[in-house]
Amino acid sequence: NAGVTQTPKFQVLKTGQSMTLQCAQDMNHNSMYWYRQDPGMGLRLIYYSASEGTTDKGEVPNGYNVSRLNKREFSLRLESAAPSQTSVYFCASSEITGQGEQYFGPGTRLTVT
Amino acid sequence: GDSVTQMEGPVTLSEEAFLTINCTYTATGYPSLFWYVQYPGEGLQLLLKATKADDKGSNKGFEATYRKETTSFHLEKGSVQVSDSAVYFCALSVTYNNNDMRFGAGTRLTVKP
Repeated sequence: NAGVTQTPKFQVLKTGQSMTLQCAQDMNHNSMYWYRQDPGMGLRLIYYSASEGTTDKGEVPNGYNVSRLNKREFSLRLESAAPSQTSVYFCASSEITGQGEQYFGPGTRLTVT
Repeated sequence: GDSVTQMEGPVTLSEEAFLTINCTYTATGYPSLFWYVQYPGEGLQLLLKATKADDKGSNKGFEATYRKETTSFHLEKGSVQVSDSAVYFCALSVTYNNNDMRFGAGTRLTVKP
């Protein structure tokens, strides 16, 4: 039981490049989330998916897109990376949206130069 | 809107010292409250939770009591160890809000031998 997995663990991009961060969970959870973590700001929600086939914007969605590929997988795409998107990105899942207790992946450290 | 405020760090303690990390919240509903811990290079892990007023969450020697009258959920431990060095996040979740979780900025704890 791997929990929540994320790939890659580290990535360096040049401004304007695109990339997709992958996330998968094996806990049969309905809800999945993407957060970014910046120093002194805690975690901020980028997008979430309450269930397979649905996605919604969180607090800081600009510059990102997401796809809920199936119940297990939730990807985050940066179409044209900017230095302001340098951050650590965490994927999380929970059994039901709004019921608390999320389970987190190990994170992806992204640097945009 | 719903939010969490926790004490700024960093906090440095000697081994076996008493720990308190303050957390207060603002919520229009009846939130569940959480403490998450993040060890270096890892994702967040749930440390403890409380779902209603006067509940006490506890785990690994840490405790926090849900105080509705003071809108607080302070984290305490009687005797910290070097292995407790990590970043601690207070968070709340309200069932009416599909955005689910609001995190504090995090408090870095360093315990010295």
